[in-house]
Amino acid sequence: GQQLNQSPQSMFIQEGEDVSMNCTSSSIFNTWLWYKQDPGEGPVLLIALYKAGELTSNGRLTAQFGITRKDSFLNISASIPSDVGIYFCAGSRAGGSQGNLIFGKGTKLSVKP
Amino acid sequence: SQTIHQWPATLVQPVGSPLSLECTVEGTSNPNLYWYRQAAGRGLQLLFYSVGIGQISSEVPQNLSASRPQDRQFILSSKKLLLSDSGFYLCAWSTQSRQPQHFGDGTRLSIL
Repeated sequence: GQQLNQSPQSMFIQEGEDVSMNCTSSSIFNTWLWYKQDPGEGPVLLIALYKAGELTSNGRLTAQFGITRKDSFLNISASIPSDVGIYFCAGSRAGGSQGNLIFGKGTKLSVKP
Repeated sequence: SQTIHQWPATLVQPVGSPLSLECTVEGTSNPNLYWYRQAAGRGLQLLFYSVGIGQISSEVPQNLSASRPQDRQFILSSKKLLLSDSGFYLCAWSTQSRQPQHFGDGTRLSIL
């Protein structure tokens, strides 16, 4: 089935560093979403993007909807220990059924204090 | 505000036993509802979605079934569990197409 390529798979960083991760697809998407999942819990929505070129911030998090509509990135500035978790991108394809989302495989973030 | 509840949080079942997981949403009407499975360290696989009472679409052939007996209730079932059914099951809702999905806290299912 349709896949989103999310990279990197994992990151090990020092507290205070900035983080960048991205998702790409061969298909056009009309919605991009970024979620964070803590161990044993459901994913929590961080940022939603609906327009090509849109740049949206949520505190230290910034995400952009790529101009080509085939990619998106998430940046985290000045990371802190509670940023640890798995970050998922998700997209809704143009013409996709009932708004079903396609998920990336996640980026596991580890932050060293 | 809207909330979503899943139960139980964890479940240990023997192979061949039946399954029933429940999900309910509060604070919204006529939501789209979804069941996902997440294998350890992997992404989310959509199993079923529903746009209304009694309307179920299956994304993958499997040993599981879903039902929506009420507007805000979504049930995941199996008549006979397999070892491969182990995983983390997540329910989600959204208001309509293109809107973000919001997830419950999940059910950890272990098959022995």
